[in-house]
Parts: sequence; structure tokens; C-alpha cells
Amino acid sequence: GEDVEQSLFLSVREGDSSVINCTYTDSSSTYLYWYKQEPGAGLQLLTYIFSNMDMKQDQRLTVLLNKKDKHLSLRIADTQTGDSAIYFCAETSSNTGFQKLVFGTGTRLLVSP
Amino acid sequence: DGGITQSPKYLFRKEGQNVTLSCEQNLNHDAMYWYRQDPGQGLRLIYYSQIVNDFQKGDIAEGYSVSREKKESFPLTVTSAQKNPTAFYLCASTLIKSLGYGYTFGSGTRLTVV
Repeated sequence: GEDVEQSLFLSVREGDSSVINCTYTDSSSTYLYWYKQEPGAGLQLLTYIFSNMDMKQDQRLTVLLNKKDKHLSLRIADTQTGDSAIYFCAETSSNTGFQKLVFGTGTRLLVSP
Repeated sequence: DGGITQSPKYLFRKEGQNVTLSCEQNLNHDAMYWYRQDPGQGLRLIYYSQIVNDFQKGDIAEGYSVSREKKESFPLTVTSAQKNPTAFYLCASTLIKSLGYGYTFGSGTRLTVV
């Protein structure tokens, strides 16, 4: 079945770059996503990448996709304290005949001043 | 402004009670979803619905029920059969033909058993 894995915790200092990693198992995934969740709130879509792309950049965010290794990463440049949140990786899965998103466990990013 | 609204934000349930969580969207989205979030476990799918009057069980449907009588609304009932209902519940929606844009999420309901 489909599975998405992330490390649980990342701590960085303000101004450094953060790299959050994700591995997935479904080779038929068409889109891969990064969501951000602030405390007590819902998930906010940060960015997504289509499976035929290697990289996507959007301001401070860079997404890298290694389809061969089924590895996805999110780099946040010049990390700020406001970036402290939980970050979820998600993939589309059509194994069930209906496309749905499968989420990782989330990586808690803590940015210290 | 279009969006997805969950209510209430906080809900307390006594042992043996059924409670219903509301989810309403005005985005004209086809599909709607309910997820449960527990610390360190990510999001687990409870139920989902592609069209009105149709819904399917997700990975952890036991102890929950849903209805989809209107396109805009997808309420979730947590029944007394759910033994450990304390969690954060998230509702989401999407246009099936535009899955590339991902899901839109509500702000969540925190349910606590007292």
C-alpha cells in the first residue's frame, strides 16, 4: 500500500536554511504536495510539484523531487520564526481507483532566534 | 470569500454521547473528506465523498458516520462506539478534476471526551 514517511522533528536557527525530507512508496503518484500547519489550525497548501518535474521554486521555497529514489524535499531559505509549524508531505494515490491524498506524519520545524 | 468552515472549534463529549461535527464549503468542490489528527500520527482518513448521496469508508471509519445530502455539506457524527474520540478533526474538499491544486482544509474541530 501507499506510505509516506517523514522525520518527526527539525530545529534550526533564524536565518539558516531548513530542509525537510520525505519518502514515498507509490510510484504512480502524479502530484506531490507540501502543507503547513500552524498550532490549532488547519493545513495550508504551500506548494506542489508534478511528478515529471525535478525542481520547483517559489520565493523562499524550493522543492526537489528524485523520482528514482521516491524522495521529496522542501528547502526554506532564510528561515524565520514565523516558519515554525508542522510540515506535511502528501502524495496522490490512485491505487484505490479514486485519487486521494496520502499524508506523511508531519515534521515539526522549530526556529529559534 | 470562498472557503470551508468547520464548527464548532471546540467540542466536549460525555461518555456514551453521539456528537456531530459540521463542515460546510462554498467552493463548489465535488469531493469532501474527514481526517482525524493525533499527535505524532499525521492525518488518518475517516470518510470521503465524491458526489451527493454517496460516501466511502476511509482507513479508520469504525465508530463514525457521515452523510452527504447537499454538495456543500458533509457532517461527521462521532458515535458512542468510537472508544477513543479525543482528537483534532479536519475537513477538506477538492475539485476532482483539479487534484493538482490539492485539498482545501477547514480550521478544524478539537473534540475532547469529559
